[in-house]
Amino acid sequence: AQSVTQLGSHVSVSEGALVLLRCNYSSSVPPYLFWYVQYPNQGLQLLLKYTSAATLVKGINGFEAEFKKSETSFHLTKPSAHMSDAAEYFCAVSDGRDNFNKFYFGSGTKLNVKP
Amino acid sequence: DAGITQSPRHKVTETGTPVTLRCHQTENHRYMYWYRQDPGHGLRLIHYSYGVKDTDKGEVSDGYSVSRSKTEDFLLTLESATSSQTSVYFCAISEVHFVNYGYTFGSGTRLTVV
Repeated sequence: AQSVTQLGSHVSVSEGALVLLRCNYSSSVPPYLFWYVQYPNQGLQLLLKYTSAATLVKGINGFEAEFKKSETSFHLTKPSAHMSDAAEYFCAVSDGRDNFNKFYFGSGTKLNVKP
Repeated sequence: DAGITQSPRHKVTETGTPVTLRCHQTENHRYMYWYRQDPGHGLRLIHYSYGVKDTDKGEVSDGYSVSRSKTEDFLLTLESATSSQTSVYFCAISEVHFVNYGYTFGSGTRLTVV
């Protein structure tokens, strides 16, 4: 069975500060890992994905994430937060064995950026 | 949203009534999914479709049914709405079944059951 745990339902940072959103996964096989972002009253947008290539993945808007197998983690980071980064972020996992592309999502982390 | 629209965007309905939500895509993608989003639970898969008339259950399918008579439309029906089905419902599409492609999501339908 697969599962995703996002530590911290709310994270608050100051503009210009480092953003770190945590994601740990449980999977019995090498996983495919994703981060999605959701702005208020909108659907989810793909931020970045790990699919067994480079362990450091770069996404849109300056975000990146590093896959660490030994820690079963896929934390999302951004060196300098911008006000426009305020949104909810979801980590998702799939083991790829299922032919129908099913993902399992974490419960989400709301990022607040203070001026 | 890459040619995917959900209707209605908002709906208030009474307990016990049937409700149908529509997902329409113009991308000709084979795979379509319905998720519900609830605080503290993230997104949970309700039903999905891998082709016309081909559907299957997700992890929270009780009380829901789906139909897909055309490639472009995927309907979600709450057979007899309950307050526990108050949620935001998202449709997603995927072109191929290879997992590394990810999804494209609609803007969501906010459903309130009173």
